[in-house]
Amino acid sequence: AQTVTQSQPEMSVQEAETVTLSCTYDTSESDYYLFWYKQPPSRQMILVIRQEAYKQQNATENRFSVNFQKAAKSFSLKISDSQLGDAAMYFCAYRSGQGGSEKLVFGKGTKLTVNP
Amino acid sequence: GAVVSQHPSRVICKSGTSVKIECRSLDFQATTMFWYRQFPKQSLMLMATSNEGSKATYEQGVEKDKFLINHASLTLSTLTVTSAHPEDSSFYICSARDGGLITGELFFGEGSRLTVL
Repeated sequence: AQTVTQSQPEMSVQEAETVTLSCTYDTSESDYYLFWYKQPPSRQMILVIRQEAYKQQNATENRFSVNFQKAAKSFSLKISDSQLGDAAMYFCAYRSGQGGSEKLVFGKGTKLTVNP
Repeated sequence: GAVVSQHPSRVICKSGTSVKIECRSLDFQATTMFWYRQFPKQSLMLMATSNEGSKATYEQGVEKDKFLINHASLTLSTLTVTSAHPEDSSFYICSARDGGLITGELFFGEGSRLTVL
């Protein structure tokens, strides 16, 4: 079974600075998707960024980017120019690329605090 | 992005009663929806996969008779917590996959907080 590990229960960053959240995963599959979701105090899960395993290029979405290391099974999230609104729980998630297997496996999350 | 709506957002009920939570995909068709449970300060735990027109697939350890799931249309799945007890109090979240996207991302509802007295 696939597992996702987030080794940082909590992280903090100064406003406007950069922070990196770590995520590693374990799988024997070659085709899969990886995601970072944000859960603010409102509790609604919001997709931050996604990465297809077959793509070598790291995904970027404005201030958010990932460092995808397939061989190392690592998928870290970098938040640049941190804003107060970035404060939330961040969950790394894995989804198999096999047809019919659409469920997400989540890590335990990292609580990000942004200090003004 | 696609919108998934859950209702109610908060519900309080007495022990022994049943509670129904709805999950709707508002602007896309979802043949598959997922129900998660989240305890305070913990991650999301998948409870079951809801398939339109067929029986739901439950994760190991989840009681099928307690958590009834019905996916009667391509835009609606319901979770009914039967004979609720205080230990069923939790945050329940649904998600749905937009079949029109090949990326596999899921869109989540706002969540429903259940409190059983």
